[in-house]
Amino acid sequence: GAGVSQSPSNKVTEKGKDVELRCDPISGHTALYWYRQSLGQGLEFLIYFQGNSAPDKSGLPSDRFSAERTGGSVSTLTIQRTQQEDSAVYLCASSHAGTERTYEQYFGPGTRLTVT
Amino acid sequence: GDSVTQMEGPVTLSEEAFLTINCTYTATGYPSLFWYVQYPGEGLQLLLKATKADDKGSNKGFEATYRKETTSFHLEKGSVQVSDSAVYFCALSVSNFNKFYFGSGTKLNVKP
Repeated sequence: GAGVSQSPSNKVTEKGKDVELRCDPISGHTALYWYRQSLGQGLEFLIYFQGNSAPDKSGLPSDRFSAERTGGSVSTLTIQRTQQEDSAVYLCASSHAGTERTYEQYFGPGTRLTVT
Repeated sequence: GDSVTQMEGPVTLSEEAFLTINCTYTATGYPSLFWYVQYPGEGLQLLLKATKADDKGSNKGFEATYRKETTSFHLEKGSVQVSDSAVYFCALSVSNFNKFYFGSGTKLNVKP
């Protein structure tokens, strides 16, 4: 079966523009996570969805960042008025919540965002 | 707050050498602990986990023991192979896996 997919794989944008990143989780996975990985850094947790709801949005770095998930499947991460410090790899992961393997996240390949 | 600290890399070893990658954590509750691995050109994948104190996670010859007294979860392997070359991430989760905290990753290079 298909794994987690993300699009685009690479995105170069000008400072001040808005960008939208997409994540398609594994079919049937109810939990979805977004992370950011800056050069030489670990993964920074951004947000978690259980179904379509995000109980904790405190990981989003600023109010320029927003995320939504519809139909319990696809999720989009939107960054408004991009800044150079937003340049990073954005990773999405999903897991099958509510089972004994709830903790096992499956990661997508990531979207490399470069803000010029 | 909750956090994970792991040893910086890169770590370079010869094949069949013993590997230790240190990981310590800070957590407000009772975390579950994980090691994830990222092979070149691939996405992160779960290597092993431990969900309570004194648990030992193991997979592919790798082991890590959840030590509450030292707040550590060090990754070990008795004899590394070239194919183990990858970046290893230590992670913890609290609150029923609603949130994960990852270390900065340790790159392992194994030379033949």
